[in-house]
Amino acid sequence: AQSVAQPEDQVNVAEGNPLTVKCTYSVSGNPYLFWYVQYPNRGLQFLLKYITGDNLVKGSYGFEAEFNKSQTSFHLKKPSALVSDSALYFCAVRDGWTGANNLFFGTGTRLTVIP
Amino acid sequence: DGGITQSPKYLFRKEGQNVTLSCEQNLNHDAMYWYRQDPGQGLRLIYYSQIVNDFQKGDIAEGYSVSREKKESFPLTVTSAQKNPTAFYLCASSPLGENTGELFFGEGSRLTVL
Repeated sequence: AQSVAQPEDQVNVAEGNPLTVKCTYSVSGNPYLFWYVQYPNRGLQFLLKYITGDNLVKGSYGFEAEFNKSQTSFHLKKPSALVSDSALYFCAVRDGWTGANNLFFGTGTRLTVIP
Repeated sequence: DGGITQSPKYLFRKEGQNVTLSCEQNLNHDAMYWYRQDPGQGLRLIYYSQIVNDFQKGDIAEGYSVSREKKESFPLTVTSAQKNPTAFYLCASSPLGENTGELFFGEGSRLTVL
């Protein structure tokens, strides 16, 4: 069985400060990990993914995430937050390769960047 | 532009009525998915399809039905058997094969049962 935990429902950060949105996962095989962002009443937009290779993954809009196998974590980070980064962020995981890309999503973390 | 189109964006329905949500993609993707989003619960998979005329139940399929008669279309019917249908519904698609993985999402359909 696969699962994703986003321990923080809400994260507040001042504009210009670094931000971190946490995610831990549980899978029985190799994890495929994803971050998505959602703006109000919109669909999800893909930010970045980890499949294999370098543990530090760079994505859209200056975001990056670090895969940590020993801690089963995949935290999303950005060095300097923008007010426009305020949105709902979802971490997702898939266990290995089955053909269909069924993703299991976390419950989401609402990021608010304070001007 | 290529993408996924969901319609309608907003829909109101009386209890006991069936309603069908449309999802069309022109990305030439093989797989399509329906997710339901509720506040504080993230996204939950309703149905998915990897190929025309074939589909599988997800985690919360009860009260829903789908069809996949064409590669580009994957409509979802919310039946009167669905006990709590008010939600935001998201359709997604993806190619199949190695080194892919991300889903491409539509803009969603918000269903409200009165």
